[in-house]
Amino acid sequence: DTAVSQTPKYLVTQMGNDKSIKCEQNLGHDTMYWYKQDSKKFLKIMFSYNNKELIINETVPNRFSPKSPDKAHLNLHINSLELGDSAVYFCASSTRPGTGMHNEQFFGPGTRLTVL
Amino acid sequence: AQSVTQLDSQVPVFEEAPVELRCNYSSSVSVYLFWYVQYPNQGLQLLLKYLSGSTLVKSINGFEAEFNKSQTSFHLRKPSVHISDTAEYFCAVSDFRSGGYQKVTFGTGTKLQVIP
Repeated sequence: DTAVSQTPKYLVTQMGNDKSIKCEQNLGHDTMYWYKQDSKKFLKIMFSYNNKELIINETVPNRFSPKSPDKAHLNLHINSLELGDSAVYFCASSTRPGTGMHNEQFFGPGTRLTVL
Repeated sequence: AQSVTQLDSQVPVFEEAPVELRCNYSSSVSVYLFWYVQYPNQGLQLLLKYLSGSTLVKSINGFEAEFNKSQTSFHLRKPSVHISDTAEYFCAVSDFRSGGYQKVTFGTGTKLQVIP
């Protein structure tokens, strides 16, 4: 199936731990994103990468470090987890604007992170 | 800077009744406009989009939205809702940054509750 996939789907961990969420897309897109959706469903962009290069970094604590080994993958590593990090994290991908495509973002199913 | 306002956090409506979900945006440059739908425990899916051309855009499942530049609005409508339309709906706006990259800003979402 062509899609954006994320692992794990659920992640429960203790405060202070370090965890990673993986994202992969097989849509041939060159731009990928991480979003955080809080308990009130508010969706906020965290990072955007284009061809492994960081292009958007939205006032995210430096405990969050994205890593893009290639343009099909964008992983999110979180150090020293805090209670406020509990949320659903969505990965998304799109083509780069100006390529003649419609710039729709395709979302993964989300990773529900619970910090205890 | 761009922003999106969805004034209604929840909209209850009886099955087969019409519905309108409101969206207003602000931006200093030309934008693209989107409506995404999020079903329970899933990622977001594109419902419809306005890029250019006709200001009235339609989805395959009966939703439509009209871009109104003077009122900076992109309200979503459906003449007759079904139970299966129960979901969270997000309005989004994107513009282009230097280098041709886009940033998408999402509204806070409107939960459509269809009552049998």
